[in-house]
Amino acid sequence: GEDVEQSLFLSVREGDSSVINCTYTDSSSTYLYWYKQEPGAGLQLLTYIFSNMDMKQDQRLTVLLNKKDKHLSLRIADTQTGDSAIYFCAESKRGKLIFGQGTELSVKP
Amino acid sequence: GAVVSQHPSRVICKSGTSVKIECRSLDFQATTMFWYRQFPKQSLMLMATSNEGSKATYEQGVEKDKFLINHASLTLSTLTVTSAHPEDSSFYICSAQRGQGAQETQYFGPGTRLLVL
Repeated sequence: GEDVEQSLFLSVREGDSSVINCTYTDSSSTYLYWYKQEPGAGLQLLTYIFSNMDMKQDQRLTVLLNKKDKHLSLRIADTQTGDSAIYFCAESKRGKLIFGQGTELSVKP
Repeated sequence: GAVVSQHPSRVICKSGTSVKIECRSLDFQATTMFWYRQFPKQSLMLMATSNEGSKATYEQGVEKDKFLINHASLTLSTLTVTSAHPEDSSFYICSAQRGQGAQETQYFGPGTRLLVL
């Protein structure tokens, strides 16, 4: 199967919290990343977490890491319409990034 | 932040011609850059790792003679799609690696959309 897996779609209402989930396979990954891609654009690094951390918060973004289950999540508080995009999680593996399939987040007003 | 640019942002070419795409790290030096290809509604597929001053490392299934990579300086890598065909039409994205070892992070360019007619 895929190294990194994500659900493909998530729809939320403006103002709600969004939680995007990701599972990975390589327990030796040092860093795990979340990237955002808007239509027709490249990837914007949102945040990353070091593998010895359980949680990292950066303004509206909270990353939770369950290393035992190899599960990573990104929570976006007070989701806005401008947050509508595709979100990719990625693990580093032998110097390369392995991406999930991307989760398309749709924010309805 | 770290800024990576790509040029051109869009290109349309005729089948059989070659197209060069540039990737530049604007405010940092990058020994290593990466080239990805992305099909609509799909994830990024790593094509090759571009190393400054040495040959690129290609992923399995990627033709090195078709996708020529040159990394002549610490801020510039180029990807040339030779003898392009319609099936090469895609979104090509580069990234530049900043930092060393466990602290390395990839910063991505805005992408180049290639359409081969």
